[in-house]
Amino acid sequence: KAGVTQTPRYLIKTRGQQVTLSCSPISGHRSVSWYQQTPGQGLQFLFEYFSETQRNKGNFPGRFSGRQFSNSRSEMNVSTLELGDSALYLCASSLVGSGNNEQFFGPGTRLTVL
Amino acid sequence: DAKTTQPNSMESNEEEPVHLPCNHSTISGTDYIHWYRQLPSQGPEYVIHGLTSNVNNRMASLAIAEDRKSSTLILHRATLRDAAVYYCILINLGAGSYQLTFGKGTKLSVIP
Repeated sequence: KAGVTQTPRYLIKTRGQQVTLSCSPISGHRSVSWYQQTPGQGLQFLFEYFSETQRNKGNFPGRFSGRQFSNSRSEMNVSTLELGDSALYLCASSLVGSGNNEQFFGPGTRLTVL
Repeated sequence: DAKTTQPNSMESNEEEPVHLPCNHSTISGTDYIHWYRQLPSQGPEYVIHGLTSNVNNRMASLAIAEDRKSSTLILHRATLRDAAVYYCILINLGAGSYQLTFGKGTKLSVIP
């Protein structure tokens, strides 16, 4: 079974631009979560989607948004990029109802904002 | 979510057992104890989880204190591939949340 895939793997943008990152979960997984990882703040939860609905949201500004499609694929969007948005963005999928909440992470998208 | 406390770093010799401690004194009765690890340049990966009883899987063992205020992840024979940051996380599955709240974790170095 294929793992979680994220595209693109690397991205360079300039301040003020917007960016869209994509995540394809493991087949059959309906929950997709997004995390931001920076050296200073570590791994921080952004939001979680289940059945095309945002179920949980972390403490990030409204510039960070996401959505989930009917096939469980998810995208996250960051508008008006700031230098501090440079980070590794990780997506994780989970089989809802598995009872153990094991989350499977993708390799991440490395975003650099110049 | 309840907080966890872990040492910042630990060292182990290759092929020796490693005991990674985690304190969670404010754990609630419905909190599960999960461990994830992150190898260099990779996303985190699930290691093991438990509620009250000790647990074993192919990767590791999890020893949970009787009062559940602490737990220990045990790697029986450390290999170089086990060098990673290990995160101890409490999750209240009953709350319907699949959010993982990561702390700073323990950076494990394995010495050949």
